[in-house]
Amino acid sequence: DAGITQSPRYKITETGRQVTLMCHQTWSHSYMFWYRQDLGHGLRLIYYSAAADITDKGEVPDGYVVSRSKTENFPLTLESATRSQTSVYFCASSVRGLLYEQYFGPGTRLTVT
Amino acid sequence: QKEVEQNSGPLSVPEGAIASLNCTYSDRGSQSFFWYRQYSGKSPELIMFIYSNGDKEDGRFTAQLNKASQYVSLLIRDSQPSDSATYLCALDNAGNMLTFGGGTRLMVKP
Repeated sequence: DAGITQSPRYKITETGRQVTLMCHQTWSHSYMFWYRQDLGHGLRLIYYSAAADITDKGEVPDGYVVSRSKTENFPLTLESATRSQTSVYFCASSVRGLLYEQYFGPGTRLTVT
Repeated sequence: QKEVEQNSGPLSVPEGAIASLNCTYSDRGSQSFFWYRQYSGKSPELIMFIYSNGDKEDGRFTAQLNKASQYVSLLIRDSQPSDSATYLCALDNAGNMLTFGGGTRLMVKP
């Protein structure tokens, strides 16, 4: 049972480049989430999705784009990466919803130079 | 005032002792409360959730919720070195998303 997987696990990119972080879950959970974790800020919600083709903004959506064409996949794209987007990104899912228990993937450490 | 406040620690306890982790919050309307454990370099792992005032026990872990005083606690009995991690409190904020605290780092010394 793989649960949630994220790829790549580590990524170094340059300012201005487009980067896509992948998230795949095998539980068929309806809800999926993207968070970033930074020292001093904790975990902050970027975007979430309640179902395929339904996405909504979280607390810090600027500079990010998401899509969800299939229930099991929820990619996060940084259209033009900036140094302030250097962070650890976690994907999560929930069977019950936005305000209920969420299960996290292993994370992607992104460095923007 | 931050929406979810936790003492960053580190909280140091000897092996076998009770570790008490606390979280205060500002939104009186919060209904769902969660504790996550995060080992260094790893992802958050759900330990417990609690929705009602009072205590909820699961093995060595007890979550305590007091909505009137706006705090939620996590007690870890018989603490083990393997419990050394950062513990994150999370709760629904204004009913539209989960908000996480910054976490408390726990160190259990053998």
